[in-house]
Amino acid sequence: QKEVEQNSGPLSVPEGAIASLNCTYSDRGSQSFFWYRQYSGKSPELIMFIYSNGDKEDGRFTAQLNKASQYVSLLIRDSQPSDSATYLCAVNKSGGSNYKLTFGKGTLLTVNP
Amino acid sequence: DTGVSQNPRHKITKRGQNVTFRCDPISEHNRLYWYRQTLGQGPEFLTYFQNEAQLEKSRLLSDRFSAERPKGSFSTLEIQRTEQGDSAMYLCASSLAGISGANVLTFGAGSRLTVL
Repeated sequence: QKEVEQNSGPLSVPEGAIASLNCTYSDRGSQSFFWYRQYSGKSPELIMFIYSNGDKEDGRFTAQLNKASQYVSLLIRDSQPSDSATYLCAVNKSGGSNYKLTFGKGTLLTVNP
Repeated sequence: DTGVSQNPRHKITKRGQNVTFRCDPISEHNRLYWYRQTLGQGPEFLTYFQNEAQLEKSRLLSDRFSAERPKGSFSTLEIQRTEQGDSAMYLCASSLAGISGANVLTFGAGSRLTVL
């Protein structure tokens, strides 16, 4: 089982719709969870992070965490063509390696005008 | 500019040559990371520094790879005797330890290596 799993997509949604991106992780002791956005040929940039069960909202973005199910999601409301990118889920592992992030492969999102 | 700076942005080299990449982290950050990313994959951890100490090196990293952070500021990543399989984007990131909450990594623009 991979440490961080994401559906590679592509996920295609119409402009104005809600895009839902999902991620599961294997280390039950993981503490912090991150969503990064990466445009083609560019480096990852942080969208938001979450470390408590429940929802965390930041503008059009909502991160959802369910530690019992080892599941993290990112909702993008009112999707825009400029949201078209690869979305990377990353997990901060527990214990002695808690300084580094482990990334999933990413989900490619396309927002169609 | 207070972001993470990487140089060179692009490097094309022939198989067998050595290459070196440089990373200048955000000045107040004491943690520095190198990741590698290939097409269609997420960033893969290579190594980590806390100040000048290299605290972890991925087992995936062969002996041809070496990284330094001599004064706890900038870092270099050297690849000796490059192979075609080394072609990738090499990403540097930094963060600040000791802040309550999540350890947020800020990435540089990356150095893209092409080995012919």
